[in-house]
Amino acid sequence: AQSVTQLDSQVPVFEEAPVELRCNYSSSVSVYLFWYVQYPNQGLQLLLKYLSGSTLVKGINGFEAEFNKSQTSFHLRKPSVHISDTAEYFCAVTPPGTASKLTFGTGTRLQVTL
Amino acid sequence: GAVVSQHPSRVICKSGTSVKIECRSLDFQATTMFWYRQFPKKSLMLMATSNEGSKATYEQGVEKDKFLINHASLTLSTLTVTSAHPEDSSFYICSARTRTGSDEQYFGPGTRLTVT
Repeated sequence: AQSVTQLDSQVPVFEEAPVELRCNYSSSVSVYLFWYVQYPNQGLQLLLKYLSGSTLVKGINGFEAEFNKSQTSFHLRKPSVHISDTAEYFCAVTPPGTASKLTFGTGTRLQVTL
Repeated sequence: GAVVSQHPSRVICKSGTSVKIECRSLDFQATTMFWYRQFPKKSLMLMATSNEGSKATYEQGVEKDKFLINHASLTLSTLTVTSAHPEDSSFYICSARTRTGSDEQYFGPGTRLTVT
């Protein structure tokens, strides 16, 4: 079984500041890793994913994440946030080759202010 | 591409009635669809996995007789909440996996169910 831990339930940050949202996972097998964003009363939108290859993954809206196998982490970063980045962010994992049952973290609320 | 819609976006129903939520893949065929439930300020909880033409697989603790799932075609899955109660009020989100077997899921916009 897999589990995902998002240590920060809320992250307040000023506009144009950098941000890092933390994600750690636990799994006895290799996994694929995902970051999703959810705006209020909306579904989830894929930001980026790591399947294999380069451990630094670039996604949409200027976000990137780095897979660190030794630390079992997949932290999400953005060098300069915008007000419109205010949303809930979910980290998720799934073992490859299954019916893609995603295991989600509890989410991190990114609150960007002026 | 890879758009998933849900209908309705919001629904209010009285306790004891049933409500149906539709999930459609608009521009691709989805052999597998997933239904999630999200409580306020909580993560998504997988309720069931729906495969076209076969019975849904429910997660532990989810009542299959209460949450009826039908995946009648490659583009449509429905979730029916039967005999709804206020505790069923929640945000229900579906996702669809493409027929190509990609591990990516595409999520619908969600349905807000309020049972009064």
